[in-house]
Amino acid sequence: DAKTTQPTSMDCAEGRAANLPCNHSTISGNEYVYWYRQIHSQGPQYIIHGLKNNETNEMASLIITEDRKSSTLILPHATLRDTAVYYCIVRVEYGQNFVFGPGTRLSVLP
Amino acid sequence: DTAVSQTPKYLVTQMGNDKSIKCEQNLGHDTMYWYKQDSKKFLKIMFSYNNKELIINETVPNRFSPKSPDKAHLNLHINSLELGDSAVYFCASGNLWATSNTGELFFGEGSRLTVL
Repeated sequence: DAKTTQPTSMDCAEGRAANLPCNHSTISGNEYVYWYRQIHSQGPQYIIHGLKNNETNEMASLIITEDRKSSTLILPHATLRDTAVYYCIVRVEYGQNFVFGPGTRLSVLP
Repeated sequence: DTAVSQTPKYLVTQMGNDKSIKCEQNLGHDTMYWYKQDSKKFLKIMFSYNNKELIINETVPNRFSPKSPDKAHLNLHINSLELGDSAVYFCASGNLWATSNTGELFFGEGSRLTVL
């Protein structure tokens, strides 16, 4: 599975959009990009995933560049409850190995 | 109903003891995992089972032995506990081989193990 790199930490003002970048320059054609988050010490929570098209759900939007070497998770209106560690993961279709990196610690500030 | 439940949530024990953590999922998933999150907050995969068959077995001391009596349960037994085993252990499940799956993993709330 391809590796990912993310900034260690980011701040975002409450009510503003939070844009979390992820680099996955060695991604293969059959590898999906997944985003999870972990709030405090709870179990990680799935947010969204995509292959090459941009995706949107009730939690977030995922923008994947045309060359698929990077992506951005967008939380459109961040709230204090979005403060968490956000993990970008690359996984081959039907692959069992979800490898979590250090992630990005997002702090939403009032 | 909790989708992925782990017991116990907290476990404090002495070095050298043997302990077990249990995990159950009621989602009908075919794959279950154990992850370890240490004090540095890195989340590392330990084991993965698919339909009771061991699929992933990362470099983990053989004091750790997973057991899957059926595909809804994956327990973790740890022998001769050491200080370095102190961590939060997360169980997760997913339906990874179904053709319509999203590949989403569902995690339990974690079991915090403290070895004194």
